[in-house]
Amino acid sequence: GENVEQHPSTLSVQEGDSAVIKCTYSDSASNYFPWYKQELGKRPQLIIDIRSNVGEKKDQRIAVTLNKTAKHFSLHITETQPEDSAVYFCAPCAGGATNKLIFGTGTLLAVQP
Amino acid sequence: EAGVAQSPRYKIIEKRQSVAFWCNPISGHATLYWYQQILGQGPKLLIQFQNNGVVDDSQLPKDRFSAERLKGVDSTLKIQPAKLEDSAVYLCASSIDSSGANVLTFGAGSRLTVL
Repeated sequence: GENVEQHPSTLSVQEGDSAVIKCTYSDSASNYFPWYKQELGKRPQLIIDIRSNVGEKKDQRIAVTLNKTAKHFSLHITETQPEDSAVYFCAPCAGGATNKLIFGTGTLLAVQP
Repeated sequence: EAGVAQSPRYKIIEKRQSVAFWCNPISGHATLYWYQQILGQGPKLLIQFQNNGVVDDSQLPKDRFSAERLKGVDSTLKIQPAKLEDSAVYLCASSIDSSGANVLTFGAGSRLTVL
């Protein structure tokens, strides 16, 4: 089955710095690449996604880049703020009939004020 | 639009007891998912329904877990008998359908503690 790993597992940055989280996956059929944010005690929420025919997508301070050849995609957060502190999960999906999302191991981001 | 509703929010039981969780997805969403999230881990898919049919239940421990979505709308997840390692948050999610790349909307979750 799909093997999904995230690095780093924890990341601490100063407010205003940038943060980058990398997700590697094994299923070459994956064609949809979302990132979910989960604040402490709350539900996961989609923050950005990208499809396999696009290399990069930006939405204000967040961006996702995809390297299908190397089978990895990354979340980039610029000008980090304390409210960005959360656990971030990648969830690559092979699409098709099941649209099955396999969640990564998670990255705890702490933004120090 | 109303979100994904789940109940109960919290449940504490002793091992070997049974428990049931209920989920009502967003209106019109054909696909419903149950995920198990153990503390410190990512959500793990237990079962996926498309309308009232099962699409994937490969990671559902069928000797103790069961789920149904009889009318293709709301769903129940049951655990009987519960084990200590079942302590987790059970997240229900829904999406418009299961084709292509669809956004999952999660409910608030049901936190289970097995003593």
